[in-house]
Amino acid sequence: DAMVIQNPRYQVTQFGKPVTLSCSQTLNHNVMYWYQQKSSQAPKLLFHYYDKDFNNEADTPDNFQSRRPNTSFCFLDIRSPGLGDAAMYLCATSRGQGMYEQYFGPGTRLTVT
Amino acid sequence: ILNVEQSPQSLHVQEGDSTNFTCSFPSSNFYALHWYRWETAKSPEALFVMTLNGDEKKKGRISATLNTKEGYSYLYIKGSQPEDSATYLCASENNAGNMLTFGGGTRLMVKP
Repeated sequence: DAMVIQNPRYQVTQFGKPVTLSCSQTLNHNVMYWYQQKSSQAPKLLFHYYDKDFNNEADTPDNFQSRRPNTSFCFLDIRSPGLGDAAMYLCATSRGQGMYEQYFGPGTRLTVT
Repeated sequence: ILNVEQSPQSLHVQEGDSTNFTCSFPSSNFYALHWYRWETAKSPEALFVMTLNGDEKKKGRISATLNTKEGYSYLYIKGSQPEDSATYLCASENNAGNMLTFGGGTRLMVKP
């Protein structure tokens, strides 16, 4: 059974049109992460939540926002997608911080037209 | 080394061949090294988390070693099978706590 679920798997949006990607987990993990992976590059951490505490990476554009309304769900909002935001977006969870393996969802592939 | 680097970028082997690939990472502020396997259309799956210099871990035909002083880890696959075809990602965790910096991955293709 899937433990980290991402919907949708494929998302097409128009340039400048806000889009929301969702992630849910059945693991009851404290930490949730969002990564961006552009073609053939390393996944790059955008931000993470430890419980309700939000932590933004220094170089994450302001265009990217996140919400975690409860333990199970986390959302990635892209306010005004540009062509350069087309990528695979991966959600992951971990029980805690420090040597805990991360559990990933299958990713959402975002296309911007 | 400033970034996490993996080599080779891609690798084609024949079924039954043994293979290995490399992950290089900054040795300063090192806390742990993670290996993940990512099969096409599936979720990345954790293979190993290692922290001690000289550590060696094994799961079936896959094993990994760690050298924290020189900043590298090797992943070995013995007797490759077609189902081993995947992208293998390594990630370095620094002592700030569970923030992973990923390498670009090694894409392995095993031909039957």
